[in-house]
Amino acid sequence: KAGVTQTPRYLIKTRGQQVTLSCSPISGHRSVSWYQQTPGQGLQFLFEYFSETQRNKGNFPGRFSGRQFSNSRSEMNVSTLELGDSALYLCASSLQGAGMNTEAFFGQGTRLTVV
Amino acid sequence: DQQVKQNSPSLSVQEGRISILNCDYTNSMFDYFLWYKKYPAEGPTFLISISSIKDKNEDGRFTVFLNKSAKHLSLHIVPSQPGDSAVYFCAARGTDKLIFGTGTRLQVFP
Repeated sequence: KAGVTQTPRYLIKTRGQQVTLSCSPISGHRSVSWYQQTPGQGLQFLFEYFSETQRNKGNFPGRFSGRQFSNSRSEMNVSTLELGDSALYLCASSLQGAGMNTEAFFGQGTRLTVV
Repeated sequence: DQQVKQNSPSLSVQEGRISILNCDYTNSMFDYFLWYKKYPAEGPTFLISISSIKDKNEDGRFTVFLNKSAKHLSLHIVPSQPGDSAVYFCAARGTDKLIFGTGTRLQVFP
């Protein structure tokens, strides 16, 4: 079966702009989590969506938001981009959610560069 | 506040030798731990996990040890192979989410 698909793979944006990233989970998976990876910070949890509802949220400012559609596809939006938002954004899909002892499968990520 | 810590950002090991990657955590409520491997330009892939009710789990060349009293876990790779060169993340299951460490870059040289 197809894996987790993230689009686009690479993105360059200017400070102050906004960006939308997309994640299509594995078929049948209802949970999608988003992470930010920066050098030296590991994977920082952004939020998790399950059945179109945000179930959990990390410590990121309100500029970071997301949503999930009825087909479980998820989008993440970052508004008023800052240079520090440059990172690899990863999404992970799982059947019930990473907190439910089900394995999380990651996409290849979207590399966002803010200039 | 980093609840999961990997204090060694990098590790270099000769092919055939043992690689030991370490991870410390602060929250005694964590009940499940995982290791992920990440190659450049790819997402992390699940490697091995351990429940807090165990102190060891083995899968082929990979063994994870858990010391709950010390809040410490380690991943042993024996024997190490050049294809093992990657960034390794440990993760702990918190309330409805996985909390990741900062990663250790392992390089296995011939």
